[in-house]
Amino acid sequence: TQLLEQSPQFLSIQEGENLTVYCNSSSVFSSLQWYRQEPGEGPVLLVTVVTGGEVKKLKRLTFQFGDARKDSSLHITAAQTGDTGLYLCAGVFWAGNMLTFGGGTRLMVKP
Amino acid sequence: ETGVTQTPRHLVMGMTNKKSLKCEQHLGHNAMYWYKQSAKKPLELMFVYSLEERVENNSVPSRFSPECPNSSHLFLHLHTLQPEDSALYLCASSQDLGQGNTIYFGEGSWLTVV
Repeated sequence: TQLLEQSPQFLSIQEGENLTVYCNSSSVFSSLQWYRQEPGEGPVLLVTVVTGGEVKKLKRLTFQFGDARKDSSLHITAAQTGDTGLYLCAGVFWAGNMLTFGGGTRLMVKP
Repeated sequence: ETGVTQTPRHLVMGMTNKKSLKCEQHLGHNAMYWYKQSAKKPLELMFVYSLEERVENNSVPSRFSPECPNSSHLFLHLHTLQPEDSALYLCASSQDLGQGNTIYFGEGSWLTVV
């Protein structure tokens, strides 16, 4: 079974702090996506990374794809209360065509 | 405003009831999905349809029965469910199957089985 592990599972921080969450697998991804899910809503795609070592920025969010394409990280700078939500990584494993989701990191940013 | 609409948003049903969840996508996509999201597990893919044909069924119990009458609509028929089936059921769509296709999720249907 190909699994994605996300860490930490829960994170509670103060507004203005920086944080990093991780997504790891023992298998190689052909592509990886990050989603954010707010309470009462479905997941919304933030970014897709495809190339090993790729870094993408979305305002205060920085996404990195590992060189070996087995891991990814999401770094948030100066977190805001609006960043609160469930962050999900999802990958398409090499030679596959379906997304596999990680368990998510539930982020709470306190004012 | 989401391009994928799910109804009902909340459903409470007894274990002997029969109910259905409905999903409609307004994006002109060819692929539609049902996912289950529960507190204790990652998002689980249940069913995948491409051009109205089922292409994936991940060992889902037969008490869940999908139906895709056309490329815009997807149903999940529920009967004799168990309390452990209580979860958020998410419908999604993408232009086509495979890599490079962004998946768009609906807001989900919260199901409680009593």
